[in-house]
Amino acid sequence: NAGVTQTPKFQVLKTGQSMTLQCAQDMNHEYMSWYRQDPGMGLRLIHYSVGAGITDQGEVPNGYNVSRSTTEDFPLRLLSAAPSQTSVYFCASKRRDSASEKLFFGSGTQLSVL
Amino acid sequence: AQSVTQLGSHVSVSEGALVLLRCNYSSSVPPYLFWYVQYPNQGLQLLLKYTTGATLVKGINGFEAEFKKSETSFHLTKPSAHMSDAAEYFCAVSAIYNQGGKLIFGQGTELSVKP
Repeated sequence: NAGVTQTPKFQVLKTGQSMTLQCAQDMNHEYMSWYRQDPGMGLRLIHYSVGAGITDQGEVPNGYNVSRSTTEDFPLRLLSAAPSQTSVYFCASKRRDSASEKLFFGSGTQLSVL
Repeated sequence: AQSVTQLGSHVSVSEGALVLLRCNYSSSVPPYLFWYVQYPNQGLQLLLKYTTGATLVKGINGFEAEFKKSETSFHLTKPSAHMSDAAEYFCAVSAIYNQGGKLIFGQGTELSVKP
């Protein structure tokens, strides 16, 4: 049971490039989400999904796109990378969209945009 | 709207000393409260949570937290620090009325444990 798997672990981009951060979970969780972690700011929610075909914006969605075609996968797309998107990105999932359920986190993707 | 404030971005204690990490929240509806821990180069994992019922919540690795509604606080404590407790700790708030059960995280507190 792998849990939540994120790839790649590290990535360096040039300003304007696009890329997709991959996230997959094998726990049949309905709810998946993307956070970014920046020093002194904690984790901020980018986008989330409560099931296949359903996505919604979090606190800081600008510059990011998501889709949820399957229960297992929830990729995060950077359309045109900017230095302000340099951050550590975490994917997280939970069984359902109940507020009391705990989140399971991936190990993160460290992204640098030059 | 909900928010979380963690007092102190860095806390340093000696091994064997009391650990106290402070968290205050703001919520217009009854909150659900969580503490997560992040070890270096890893994702976050749940330490403990308060949803309803007993206000003193016990978690993993000897940590506990008490929900105090009158003080809007959910401080994390451990009687005796161990070297392995060195990590970053995040307080988070959610609410039953939140669509999607979104979590709002505090800024984090880095705990250092001195030998």
